[in-house]
Amino acid sequence: ETGVTQSPTHLIKTRGQQVTLRCSSQSGHNTVSWYQQALGQGPQFIFQYYREEENGRGNFPPRFSGLQFPNYSSELNVNALELDDSALYLCASSSSLQVGEAFFGQGTRLTVV
Amino acid sequence: GEDVEQSLFLSVREGDSSVINCTYTDSSSTYLYWYKQEPGAGLQLLTYIFSNMDMKQDQRLTVLLNKKDKHLSLRIADTQTGDSAIYFCAETRSNDYKLSFGAGTTVTVRA
Repeated sequence: ETGVTQSPTHLIKTRGQQVTLRCSSQSGHNTVSWYQQALGQGPQFIFQYYREEENGRGNFPPRFSGLQFPNYSSELNVNALELDDSALYLCASSSSLQVGEAFFGQGTRLTVV
Repeated sequence: GEDVEQSLFLSVREGDSSVINCTYTDSSSTYLYWYKQEPGAGLQLLTYIFSNMDMKQDQRLTVLLNKKDKHLSLRIADTQTGDSAIYFCAETRSNDYKLSFGAGTTVTVRA
């Protein structure tokens, strides 16, 4: 049990729709990162939030956006869903005081039909 | 994951040792990680090693780092059926919490 929780666990959306995924970080952690894991692949970095600001972004289009709240929880928003967005979305929390330890939630399985 | 490479599959007999290998390309990598993913689950941090270390041992797990060859390995002693999973190697750089993952090694433990 990492203390990182994600909701919902599973989601089915139609192409063109919008989706919001949520993540509660581990107590004491001020950094949240989001990853996309397509079937059979390793996770790919989407972006990271540190103290409510975006602190790095991977090779994902602008329709992937995020927020971090004062309590360090976070949301990932994806607009204009495409079939290729079907994946496991993982949230990881870490602390600037404990460099090296990033803990993941169980993920949200998104299916776009 | 093109910065981190792993072999895709490993089959091992129960009770034997497993060795999972990984190579990375970025010499500025600061931390190197091993994560475990069981079917339908998220990633579990198994262990990590700082780049100025050669070895780290934690119970049944031994991590070896050859910084010159940019080679990382994870040895699991006395492999059990519960060790069947996908193992991911990952790296990150100083002050950058972005993790770059390999494609994962599927470990199957046979009786």
